[in-house]
Amino acid sequence: AQSVSQHNHHVILSEAASLELGCNYSYGGTVNLFWYVQYPGQHLQLLLKYFSGDPLVKGIKGFEAEFIKSKFSFNLRKPSVQWSDTAEYFCAVNALSGGYNKLIFGAGTRLAVHP
Amino acid sequence: EPEVTQTPSHQVTQMGQEVILRCVPISNHLYFYWYRQILGQKVEFLVSFYNNEISEKSEIFDDQFSVERPDGSNFTLKIRSTKLEDSAMYFCASRTGDQPQHFGDGTRLSIL
Repeated sequence: AQSVSQHNHHVILSEAASLELGCNYSYGGTVNLFWYVQYPGQHLQLLLKYFSGDPLVKGIKGFEAEFIKSKFSFNLRKPSVQWSDTAEYFCAVNALSGGYNKLIFGAGTRLAVHP
Repeated sequence: EPEVTQTPSHQVTQMGQEVILRCVPISNHLYFYWYRQILGQKVEFLVSFYNNEISEKSEIFDDQFSVERPDGSNFTLKIRSTKLEDSAMYFCASRTGDQPQHFGDGTRLSIL
């Protein structure tokens, strides 16, 4: 069965620190990969996605993620976080089978950025 | 930018009662989904819906659950006889083509 692991459940950083959130998935076939963000009191929003091509993808708000197929990983990075990045971050994968594209989510990483 | 809208934002229901959660997907989207997130746990897939029928469902989606697209705009999730463990945040999502899913704000369901 497909699964997604996010290794950091809770991360606390100071503003301007660099961020890297780990995400690993288990599925041997072709996948699409996503990072969603959920700000306090708001809905899940797409941060970035990887479908194919350049494994380094850039998203909104200065975030980027790198797909490393050999490691089944899709880690999220930001060189300098801001207080407004305080949110919960979810990695998700959908396996390209069946065509209906359900998303499998990781457990989420709660990021707190202190001024 | 068009959004997926969900109502109500918070639903409180007595155990054993039926509840209907409503969603209005983005108008040109063709694939519809329900997910849930129990407090402190991960977001879990419940069901996908395409061409007026369920295309996939998880083991969570048992006989107590049903989905319907009663008209051209709404997509509903019904729980027939609610249990305490149904308390969760329920998210509706929709998509079209190869684009990512767009999520609604969610309905917080509290079963007493």
